Amino acid sequence: SQQGEEDPQALSIQEGENATMNCSYKTSINNLQWYRQNSGRGLVHLILIRSNEREKHSGRLRVTLDTSKKSSSLLITASRAADTASYFCATDVNDYKLSFGAGTTVTVRA
Amino acid sequence: SQTIHQWPATLVQPVGSPLSLECTVEGTSNPNLYWYRQAAGRGLQLLFYSVGIGQISSEVPQNLSASRPQDRQFILSSKKLLLSDSGFYLCAWSFVNTEAFFGQGTRLTVV
Repeated sequence: SQQGEEDPQALSIQEGENATMNCSYKTSINNLQWYRQNSGRGLVHLILIRSNEREKHSGRLRVTLDTSKKSSSLLITASRAADTASYFCATDVNDYKLSFGAGTTVTVRA
Repeated sequence: SQTIHQWPATLVQPVGSPLSLECTVEGTSNPNLYWYRQAAGRGLQLLFYSVGIGQISSEVPQNLSASRPQDRQFILSSKKLLLSDSGFYLCAWSFVNTEAFFGQGTRLTVV
């Protein structure tokens, strides 16, 4: 079974709005990662947050991690059409295995 | 810089035919290597991972096998494809507790 589960499954927003998606996981982790996938392409790493970190920023991305609730959120601020993609969270089940959720599909309308 | 190559990009194969997908990594040594499969609109299912030459761990019993004949080469194979083997196959590499880097994927359609 998958370790991480994203919510919502799909999100449609207007250009310029913020997009927030959440990830819940089941077991303790060393780190949690977020990836983006454009249709029919490979995944691109966005940000990694370690278990001892609570918040991390990268450009228009903000990730939070709450290990007590086993959850994380990804916020994309001032969205652009180019942000249209699927977003996945991934957790390390052990030192070698990354387990991915089913993803959130984000559509940014012009 | 490190790069990962995966080919072919698309493949249409008849049921019962063999399969060989190849993935190579450049610019790094002794990476962990991974094969994932993604069904349409779904998340990634880890199929195999390798922490070194000749070392393969299988996650899901199935019609596929993997081999790592060289440090930076990872091959996904099947002797006889099934319809259920259709999907989007992704190769990736990483080091322990760091981000993973993905190839562009192979769209396999078994007909």
